[in-house]
Amino acid sequence: DQQVKQNSPSLSVQEGRISILNCDYTNSMFDYFLWYKKYPAEGPTFLISISSIKDKNEDGRFTVFLNKSAKHLSLHIVPSQPGDSAVYFCAARTGANNLFFGTGTRLTVIP
Amino acid sequence: NAGVTQTPKFQVLKTGQSMTLQCAQDMNHNSMYWYRQDPGMGLRLIYYSASEGTTDKGEVPNGYNVSRLNKREFSLRLESAAPSQTSVYFCASSEAGGSQRDTQYFGPGTRLTVL
Repeated sequence: DQQVKQNSPSLSVQEGRISILNCDYTNSMFDYFLWYKKYPAEGPTFLISISSIKDKNEDGRFTVFLNKSAKHLSLHIVPSQPGDSAVYFCAARTGANNLFFGTGTRLTVIP
Repeated sequence: NAGVTQTPKFQVLKTGQSMTLQCAQDMNHNSMYWYRQDPGMGLRLIYYSASEGTTDKGEVPNGYNVSRLNKREFSLRLESAAPSQTSVYFCASSEAGGSQRDTQYFGPGTRLTVL
């Protein structure tokens, strides 16, 4: 049973525009959420995170929004750049060590 | 500083064969993890080691064993490989599992095919 869901397998955006990647979760015990970025033939790399006590966290071009009541989070990338083309994974944590990952969304930024 | 390294990068096994996937980190991290990634699914935790000398089961431990050889190294062993274990395996490490803000750093992965 997938506790973290990314319902859009792919997304294409024009360079300079905003990219919005979405993630839904079912477990209300999740208390920390992360986004990872993955290029082909490489491991995932940490991008940005947010605690469940916050509703927004910003780091440069990347902003993560958390809506706890809807059990939904999103990653905004503004402006999108061709180098942002990758697979983005949403992940959630409850407790110490278990990270639960979504299935990923492949972002393509068109020059 | 190489981060997290994994060997081999690719491996093909026949059903019933055994093999060990190796992982090492040079960041002096306490915690290490093994994940698998299958098509259409997210990464799933197989085993983890919160600190040297300890190991615990994750979400999908069946068919695997692990060894935390020392602080740097964490190996994953398949005793009798099955086609269902065809996957990409990722090793990760983090400074101190147990912290909410603990970030995991991933290796490049091992692509395993079991025929």
